[in-house]
Amino acid sequence: KQEVTQIPAALSVPEGENLVLNCSFTDSAIYNLQWFRQDPGKGLTSLLLIQSSQREQTSGRLNASLDKSSGRSTLYIAASQPGDSATYLCAVWNQGGKLIFGQGTELSVKP
Amino acid sequence: GAGVSQSPSNKVTEKGKDVELRCDPISGHTALYWYRQSLGQGLEFLIYFQGNSAPDKSGLPSDRFSAERTGGSVSTLTIQRTQQEDSAVYLCASSPLTGVDLGAFFGQGTRLTVV
Repeated sequence: KQEVTQIPAALSVPEGENLVLNCSFTDSAIYNLQWFRQDPGKGLTSLLLIQSSQREQTSGRLNASLDKSSGRSTLYIAASQPGDSATYLCAVWNQGGKLIFGQGTELSVKP
Repeated sequence: GAGVSQSPSNKVTEKGKDVELRCDPISGHTALYWYRQSLGQGLEFLIYFQGNSAPDKSGLPSDRFSAERTGGSVSTLTIQRTQQEDSAVYLCASSPLTGVDLGAFFGQGTRLTVV
């Protein structure tokens, strides 16, 4: 059974810091991996999708990497801003198309 | 449509009543997912529809929960004899046939409160 773990569960940083969010999964036979952002009381917004054949994806200040063999992904946020404050969720797609989520990392960026 | 649409956005119901939650996926998306998110918790998988295949119901917490997808489009999640522990946000997502290469798109959710 695929299990997805995100560390840390919560993180508070001052504005301007670079930071890394971690995601690990127990079954390396995943198809793809997707990072989402969730603001309080809102739905999920897709940030980055890394296909199984890729090692990383970049969008603006965000960079996500994937190492399938070790069952790990990281989301790097450069020059953090208060507007980045949200919960960040990692989800893996198994070969059957099922999408399994981690518990999320709650990020707070202080001005 | 432009995105995944869920209705109602909020639902308050009395314990023991049945409720129906609706999801309109993005047009042409063949995969549809339901998740439950309790307060302060992550997303709990409930059920997954893919095309004409039998749905993966492995996440439904009890036989009070059921879901159907008519015509390969709109989906309804039904909770019978609601209990207070059913209170949560119910999220729906859809993805294209080759969705694993394009990702999942989520609706805004239905907040269910059982009183």
